[in-house]
Amino acid sequence: DIVMTQSPDSLAVSLGERATITCKSSQSLSYSSNNKNFLAWYQHKPGQPPKLLIYWASTRESGVPDRFSGSGSGTDFTLTISSLQAEDVAVYFCQQFYTTPPTFGGGTKVEIK
Amino acid sequence: QVQLQESGPGLVKPLQTLSLTCSVSGDSISNVGYYWSWIRQHPGKGLEWIGHTYYSGSTWYNPSLKSRVSMSVDTSKNQFSLRLTSVTAADTAVYYCARDRGNGYDNTWSDYWGQGTLVTVSS
Repeated sequence: DIVMTQSPDSLAVSLGERATITCKSSQSLSYSSNNKNFLAWYQHKPGQPPKLLIYWASTRESGVPDRFSGSGSGTDFTLTISSLQAEDVAVYFCQQFYTTPPTFGGGTKVEIK
Repeated sequence: QVQLQESGPGLVKPLQTLSLTCSVSGDSISNVGYYWSWIRQHPGKGLEWIGHTYYSGSTWYNPSLKSRVSMSVDTSKNQFSLRLTSVTAADTAVYYCARDRGNGYDNTWSDYWGQGTLVTVSS
């Protein structure tokens, strides 16, 4: 199985500041034939279902605010929240869908400093 | 708005069978191109994909659980189900159902999730 490693485990960011989360995969998630990266990002708030933010590493899901962006290729990926809002407090996790079974990162808890 | 809701016993005895159902609203489980999955999260740990099924009844399972897992679809009720046999304490987890979409059955992400239901395995 592909191992997904996220860092940091948690981070505290001031309101309006940038939050950056990284996700590394144990093998490349890039598919050469279509130049796509098979990675998704999710947000999970307490008491709510997880919410899809980004797929194909950088495609924002419909309705997701543009302060959320995904980047990266191969084995190294980043989720950036450009200007942290109070409602962004949550656990964020990545998922590879390059091979079966899909596997997930351990999650990063984002809090307000 | 697509919504999913898990239901089933919150407590299962060791060596018995865990059975959960996911009820889907806001979408038809028979829609082409969507898969219906089960994912779990052990206490304090990351998420584990259990498997997913298609409206036709086709199924794909995590090899680590394949010998104990079965999934089924009931299109008349717009529901899908999970059965996990011979459970142990290691199967204690929050179980989520989700709708998957993507690039074929083996390259999917989950665009809608249920709230999750805690299942504890204990005598």
